[in-house]
Amino acid sequence: EDQVTQSPEALRLQEGESSSLNCSYTVSGLRGLFWYRQDPGKGPEFLFTLYSAGEEKEKERLKATLTKKESFLHITAPKPEDSATYLCAVQAGNTGNQFYFGTGTSLTVIP
Amino acid sequence: GAGVSQSPSNKVTEKGKDVELRCDPISGHTALYWYRQSLGQGLEFLIYFQGNSAPDKSGLPSDRFSAERTGGSVSTLTIQRTQQEDSAVYLCASSPRQAGELFFGSGTQLSVL
Repeated sequence: EDQVTQSPEALRLQEGESSSLNCSYTVSGLRGLFWYRQDPGKGPEFLFTLYSAGEEKEKERLKATLTKKESFLHITAPKPEDSATYLCAVQAGNTGNQFYFGTGTSLTVIP
Repeated sequence: GAGVSQSPSNKVTEKGKDVELRCDPISGHTALYWYRQSLGQGLEFLIYFQGNSAPDKSGLPSDRFSAERTGGSVSTLTIQRTQQEDSAVYLCASSPRQAGELFFGSGTQLSVL
C-alpha cells in the first residue's frame, strides 16, 4: 500500500506560469508532512513542515497547504532556478520513526 | 562545514566486495537516518539512530547491511558481499529532534559492477 503519491511525475512550465504540485497520503495519525527540494547530484533540501489540516506555509514563490488527505505545493510565477525535483514525505503514528517519501515531481521552468 | 558530510561521494566496487559508507552529521543532532535512493524510486528507509536508544533497523533489506553510530556522532553503513541491486545513492540525514525536518548530505553514489 502506497503511503505517499505525488503528481504529476514531471511538469514543464514557462517562466511566470504558476502551477501546483500534489502530494496525497494514506497514513493514520499524521505527525508531520514535509516538502523538500532536490537538485541533481545533491541530497534533498528541507522546505516546509505542515502539521495539521488547514495549515499553510510560504517561502518566496512557494506556498504549501495541507488537508486531511493531501498537500499542495503552489509555485507562483516560477523562475528557471526553481527547476528541481520536489519531494514530499510524511511521518505518522503508523510509520514509526520513518519518514515515507513520494517519488517526487520533476519541475522544469523554461525561460 | 556546518552541513551533513558523506564520504566517499562515489564508490565503484566489484560484486562480492564489502563497502563502508561514512556519515558525519550536524553537530548536536541526535537523530540520524540512512536512506537509499534508486533511479525512479522514492527514498527507501534503511536505519534510524536516536541518541543512545537501540537503532531502528526495520528498513535494512538483508543481513548483508549493517550500520553503527559511534559516540552519538559519526555513522558507518556497511554492505557486505555487494550485489548489483545494491547500486544506488545512499543518503544520510540528521535531525535535531525525533519528529523534525531532516538535513541531508549529498550522498554516496554506489556502483556495483
